[in-house]
Amino acid sequence: GAGVSQSPRYKVAKRGQDVALRCDPISGHVSLFWYQQALGQGPEFLTYFQNEAQLDKSGLPSDRFFAERPEGSVSTLKIQRTQQEDSAVYLCASSLEGSGRGRYGYTFGSGTRLTVV
Amino acid sequence: GNSVTQMEGPVTLSEEAFLTINCTYTATGYPSLFWYVQYPGEGLQLLLKATKADDKGSNKGFEATYRKETTSFHLEKGSVQVSDSAVYFCALRTSGSRLTFGEGTQLTVNP
Repeated sequence: GAGVSQSPRYKVAKRGQDVALRCDPISGHVSLFWYQQALGQGPEFLTYFQNEAQLDKSGLPSDRFFAERPEGSVSTLKIQRTQQEDSAVYLCASSLEGSGRGRYGYTFGSGTRLTVV
Repeated sequence: GNSVTQMEGPVTLSEEAFLTINCTYTATGYPSLFWYVQYPGEGLQLLLKATKADDKGSNKGFEATYRKETTSFHLEKGSVQVSDSAVYFCALRTSGSRLTFGEGTQLTVNP
């Protein structure tokens, strides 16, 4: 597609509920990133895929967070047993570049706003 | 590790005023530097970038110069417009790794 598509755009979950957030990157983009953006803050890195390989998951805040990209395109971020502190905008970004000095910026999706009540 | 420090906001200016948003960084390795803009209700958009020392990134009247000696990448615009009102994020990326963002600076431009 022309851009990075994320769904749903908004999600309200009851505390303890599991949620799944979807990201469709730009076709052919090798790298895919998930970020968490709390209200009034800059995005914080969660995890990184190069094709289907999850190369860095050091930013995932707990073992309740899980991400996958099984065929190297669409990715899903799953949060189990959601807590109120999980409320944030979850941003997905993709990049043509697989590695290197980051000469290319990322293309970000519009995000999924998760509210845990 | 990598970190980005931006000037604290919010910043409020009148239309046609000069804008500077300061950004300094700490990085392992030789980073590429970026400015992203986030309009209300929208995702992050790349505004400009620079990949090596003394490079100047520019777009839509905004400019920023990669200053290795001062580890800075300050954003400037000579004459802001109401439509420039948004949150601006400075960011860096080193080899094969994530983007590291500053906390963002809220800009409001009044008519």
